[in-house]
Amino acid sequence: DTEVTQTPKHLVMGMTNKKSLKCEQHMGHRAMYWYKQKAKKPPELMFVYSYEKLSINESVPSRFSPECPNSSLLNLHLHALQPEDSALYLCASSPRAVRDTQYFGPGTRLTVL
Amino acid sequence: DAKTTQPPSMDCAEGRAANLPCNHSTISGNEYVYWYRQIHSQGPQYIIHGLKNNETNEMASLIITEDRKSSTLILPHATLRDTAVYYCIAPRSNYKLTFGKGTLLTVNP
Repeated sequence: DTEVTQTPKHLVMGMTNKKSLKCEQHMGHRAMYWYKQKAKKPPELMFVYSYEKLSINESVPSRFSPECPNSSLLNLHLHALQPEDSALYLCASSPRAVRDTQYFGPGTRLTVL
Repeated sequence: DAKTTQPPSMDCAEGRAANLPCNHSTISGNEYVYWYRQIHSQGPQYIIHGLKNNETNEMASLIITEDRKSSTLILPHATLRDTAVYYCIAPRSNYKLTFGKGTLLTVNP
């Protein structure tokens, strides 16, 4: 089973809202990732968690706040977003954060009004 | 990541083999070549990866030249569901996949 699940599939929020994206995997992977993909562009890495600790932040604005409550779950908390943050947010996992194959979820389509 | 170059688009007839090329002339000796694809509005899907030898799995075959400066992904019998953007990546970092623009493969009936 190489499934990564993400909820919700779609999210519409206002600039003053607080919302969260959720990602889950049950493959025993110890590395989890958030990517952002704008329309007609390739995915770009945002964060990497390794063994439930944040190991990489690719200079992401603080209005995006990741959290890894346990080895199976990854959240992305959103607050005071801008319309330009509208994108497909992708979660991925890999056995370890050492050039292992990454497996992606279906993504959450976020629209900020 | 090692720089990769792919054609922006390719067409293939349904049932025929699709051969997608990738140049990675700056690849170093211990860097793998990974292929992912992304069907419209879905998450990227891992296809295959290799280092030096040719590789085959249930989805595709990967042919890597002896000098490792280029590779070809082969979908032996393309179907309409194989229409997607195909990304060739040679990650240099331990954790980061840097996606380029990829190749939009369109499989035609």
